[in-house]
Amino acid sequence: NAGVTQTPKFQVLKTGQSMTLQCAQDMNHNSMYWYRQDPGMGLRLIYYSASEGTTDKGEVPNGYNVSRLNKREFSLRLESAAPSQTSVYFCASSTVPGANVLTFGAGSRLTVL
Amino acid sequence: QKEVEQDPGPLSVPEGAIVSLNCTYSNSAFQYFMWYRQYSRKGPELLMYTYSSGNKEDGRFTAQVDKSSKYISLFIRDSQPSDSATYLCAMSGDNDMRFGAGTRLTVKP
Repeated sequence: NAGVTQTPKFQVLKTGQSMTLQCAQDMNHNSMYWYRQDPGMGLRLIYYSASEGTTDKGEVPNGYNVSRLNKREFSLRLESAAPSQTSVYFCASSTVPGANVLTFGAGSRLTVL
Repeated sequence: QKEVEQDPGPLSVPEGAIVSLNCTYSNSAFQYFMWYRQYSRKGPELLMYTYSSGNKEDGRFTAQVDKSSKYISLFIRDSQPSDSATYLCAMSGDNDMRFGAGTRLTVKP
C-alpha cells in the first residue's frame, strides 16, 4: 500500500529552469494538495484540487502551476525557477475538501541555484 | 500576527518525562484540531485530531483544545526516544487549514 508517492525526491535547478514535481495516490482520495515547507514557516498551501477536474490557489501560488491529470495524479510545475522556491515540497491527499486528515508523501527537496 | 503560533523549541527531555506541546491560533472559525508528527526527512503523519473543545486520549498521547482561549495542547506521557521528532499542530474550519511551524522534540535515553 504505497499511499502518496512523490517524484523526484531531490532536484537541483538553475535559476530560470523549469521542472515538474509528480504526485500520485492510490487511496481513491478526491482531494489533493501541494504544500511547501520552509524553516520557521510551517507548511504553506500552494495549490489544491478538491476533485478531479478542479484546481484552486492556496496561500502561496505565485510562480507555480498545477495539473490534476486524473483522480490519482496531481503535478506541480515551476515554469521559471527562482532561488526563493528552494524548499521541501509535500503532496498530500484526503477524502474530502478541507479535510482534517491529510496523508502526506515523503517530500521532494528542491534547490534552486 | 500569524494565524497559528507554535514554539519552535528545540525541546529536550529525558526518557520517561511528560512532554507538553502547545499552539495558539487567531481564527475562531477553526473547528478541527490536529497534531502531526514528522520524523527527520519524512512527510508529516497524523497523530491525533479532535473536533471543537475537549480532550482526546490515545495511549500515551492526550490532545486538549480550549476554543475559548484559542489554545491547543498535546501531552506525551512516558516519553520515549522514538518520540523524537518535530510535532506540527494544524487546524481547519471555514474551508481553511493552517499549520504551526512545528516544535522539535528530542527525548534522551
